[in-house]
Amino acid sequence: DGGITQSPKYLFRKEGQNVTLSCEQNLNHDAMYWYRQDPGQGLRLIYYSHIVNDFQKGDIAEGYSVSREKKESFPLTVTSAQKNPTAFYLCASSTPKAQNIQYFGAGTRLSVL
Amino acid sequence: SQQGEEDPQALSIQEGENATMNCSYKTSINNLQWYRQNSGRGLVHLILIRSNEREKHSGRLRVTLDTSKKSSSLLITASRAADTASYFCATEGSGGSNYKLTFGKGTLLTVNP
Repeated sequence: DGGITQSPKYLFRKEGQNVTLSCEQNLNHDAMYWYRQDPGQGLRLIYYSHIVNDFQKGDIAEGYSVSREKKESFPLTVTSAQKNPTAFYLCASSTPKAQNIQYFGAGTRLSVL
Repeated sequence: SQQGEEDPQALSIQEGENATMNCSYKTSINNLQWYRQNSGRGLVHLILIRSNEREKHSGRLRVTLDTSKKSSSLLITASRAADTASYFCATEGSGGSNYKLTFGKGTLLTVNP
């Protein structure tokens, strides 16, 4: 099955801990994105990447970090500097060959212990 | 920054009725897209309308775009209980191909059997 896989589905973070959310795609898409969604809210862009080894900050990058070492993978680390990390995190990918329509994973729900 | 704003925030209708959701945005766009999100899941793309198009249909969906008013509407005809979900508009800004989408806060549609 082609698609985007996010793991884990649920994640708990302790005070002062960094946690990493996984996002893998087998759609051969160049662009990948990370969004944060708070209850009853829309999606806010954290980071995005158009090509391997390159990524850009989105609207709310503070307290987060990413890497893009492989085309298929775009992991997001929520650092201890992010003081309010509780949210639903969504990863997406796109390609200009498909009008840049974004394809989403099923999400990771992060909570603070 | 949030560009798209959906209206209403919540909509409750009976099965078989039509549902109309509106989206307003602030700056020039290349295209406008509508996505659907079932509770606790990722987003699924529904339909894309380009800035030079005025209306588009896909099954029971009809989208209109008025660039002079910077607004779009999504009509779902003959609604079903399975249409219950949140619906988001997303805009791809013009002035540079950066693939980014800006999402609104969404309309929560409840279709009662």
